[in-house]
Amino acid sequence: KQEVTQIPAALSVPEGENLVLNCSFTDSAIYNLQWFRQDPGKGLTSLLLIQSSQREQTSGRLNASLDKSSGRSTLYIAASQPGDSATYLCAVYSGGGADGLTFGKGTHLIIQP
Amino acid sequence: DAGVIQSPRHEVTEMGQEVTLRCKPISGHNSLFWYRQTMMRGLELLIYFNNNVPIDDSGMPEDRFSAKMPNASFSTLKIQPSEPRDSAVYFCASSLIGDTEAFFGQGTRLTVV
Repeated sequence: KQEVTQIPAALSVPEGENLVLNCSFTDSAIYNLQWFRQDPGKGLTSLLLIQSSQREQTSGRLNASLDKSSGRSTLYIAASQPGDSATYLCAVYSGGGADGLTFGKGTHLIIQP
Repeated sequence: DAGVIQSPRHEVTEMGQEVTLRCKPISGHNSLFWYRQTMMRGLELLIYFNNNVPIDDSGMPEDRFSAKMPNASFSTLKIQPSEPRDSAVYFCASSLIGDTEAFFGQGTRLTVV
């Protein structure tokens, strides 16, 4: 059974800092990995999707990397802003439609103004 | 499209009462998922439907939980009788069959006292 772990569970940094969120998974037989953002009281918004054949994906100040063989992914946020404060969830897709998504418990990020 | 719509947004009920959560998926999507999110366990898939047919309900915690999808535009998750340990945020998501990108509703925060 696939298990996804996110470290740290919570992180608080001053505005402007670059930061890295970590995600690890136990079964490397994945099709892709996604990073989601969840704001308080809201649903999940997909940020980046990395296919298993890719090493990284970039969107604006966000960069996600994938090392499938070691079962790890990182989400790099450059020049953090207070608006980046949210919970970030990592999910791996092991096949069978979106039902094959296994989520981590998330990293709760606070960017201090 | 307004996205996945869930109702109610918040529900507070007494132990033993029946609770019904509702979901309207994105028009045209043919897969629908119910997730439960808690601090302890993170996001857990409860059940999913393809073309209105329940495919896998192995995530449903016990017989007190039931889900229906009478048509392509509506689904319910019912808990009867409710217990305090059912308190969580329940998310509905929809997608196209086989597509990993699922779109989430804003969730229903359930509190059972």
